[in-house]
Amino acid sequence: NAGVMQNPRHLVRRRGQEARLRCSPMKGHSHVYWYRQLPEEGLKFMVYLQKENIIDESGMPKERFSAEFPKEGPSILRIQQVVRGDSAAYFCASSPRGDTEAFFGQGTRLTVV
Amino acid sequence: DQQVKQNSPSLSVQEGRISILNCDYTNSMFDYFLWYKKYPAEGPTFLISISSIKDKNEDGRFTVFLNKSAKHLSLHIVPSQPGDSAVYFCAARGRSQGNLIFGKGTKLSVKP
Repeated sequence: NAGVMQNPRHLVRRRGQEARLRCSPMKGHSHVYWYRQLPEEGLKFMVYLQKENIIDESGMPKERFSAEFPKEGPSILRIQQVVRGDSAAYFCASSPRGDTEAFFGQGTRLTVV
Repeated sequence: DQQVKQNSPSLSVQEGRISILNCDYTNSMFDYFLWYKKYPAEGPTFLISISSIKDKNEDGRFTVFLNKSAKHLSLHIVPSQPGDSAVYFCAARGRSQGNLIFGKGTKLSVKP
């Protein structure tokens, strides 16, 4: 999974600030997925994107959260006005097509203080 | 409502023996199943997958079995090694669906 690059690895934000998490998919992969893992929980799907398109955002909270995957550059998960409950590990995964296995990055650990 | 369930939070096995991790699902529309392994502070690593048209897939020490009628799959690791100690996640995907639905994971400890 070293091919999917996420940064930063660790991010600390105060309540009310914005958090921006970046994900560069593996070379040749045009499908990107974001997942969130709360302590002692499994990975929860948030959003599925292809270049410049949001395919499925059914797992994304309706407010404060947004995601994009522009034509050029990494995919961005943006959390506005962070709250303590947003503290979690956020994982990005990519795949070459929508019907194959996805490969995960190392994750970004967000801590809201 | 959990669509993918891993009912055993943990499993302890002796080195050299077989590890069997179980997973149940409720959605009959799932047609592709995967197992991921995760070490602390790292991302999940893909291990093995199986399509719903098969009932077994083998890759080295890892074998996944699928019982569609029971909506049950299992991952067999034989022989188990201490380096296999990690959290194992079962995941499933439906037809024409890109995202994966994950179970809560089973923590495997392989003792030397």
